[in-house]
Amino acid sequence: DIQMTQSPSSLSASVGDRVTITCQASQDISNYLNWYQQKPGKAPKLLIYDASNLETGVPSRFSGSGSGTDFTFTISSLQPEDIATYYCQQYDNLPTFGQGTRLEIK
Amino acid sequence: EVQLVESGGGLVKPGGSLRLSCAASGFTFSSYSMNWVRQAPGKGLEWVSSISSSSSYIYYADSVKGRFTISRDNAKNSLYLQMNSLRAEDTAVYYCARARIAVAGTGVFDYWGQGTLVTVSS
Repeated sequence: DIQMTQSPSSLSASVGDRVTITCQASQDISNYLNWYQQKPGKAPKLLIYDASNLETGVPSRFSGSGSGTDFTFTISSLQPEDIATYYCQQYDNLPTFGQGTRLEIK
Repeated sequence: EVQLVESGGGLVKPGGSLRLSCAASGFTFSSYSMNWVRQAPGKGLEWVSSISSSSSYIYYADSVKGRFTISRDNAKNSLYLQMNSLRAEDTAVYYCARARIAVAGTGVFDYWGQGTLVTVSS
């Protein structure tokens, strides 16, 4: 199995801050990496696919980058509605998720 | 509008069985692979199983292999998960998720259901 290591596990930031989450794969996964947002009591929502492609309808303040083993997810200007847990997911092999990053407002 | 609606969750004793269903609408169900993903209370996401569009290819996580069976009925636009020999550690919300591809065991999960809670407890 490909292990996905996400950091940090939790993060507190202020409205308007730039927020960055990283995800590291245990082996080269090319760009087969997605990012999801999950709000409490809700299903996950796809934000970024193939490492850097913004899903239709997702605000442009969300972005992703990286390839190989190291990936980054960024919110350029944090909004109150962005409070959620974020997960990376690889699909180079059978899917695996990172452990999640809980984002809170400071 | 794409919709995925799970049902069949509930309370079951250890060693028991349960069958989950996922009713799909708003897209050509037979063109996409489908997946089950679960989330234990307060924990992260865990992929459980995947089935290709034509049911030709099926994959399972090691944690459920030999106990769970995924299946689909394209005529009924429905996905299923038969869960046998249930354990306390199977307690979770179970989501069905569409993959943006016909091939199983991979993909971008672009639509998710609302989830159904399975509780395994005596």
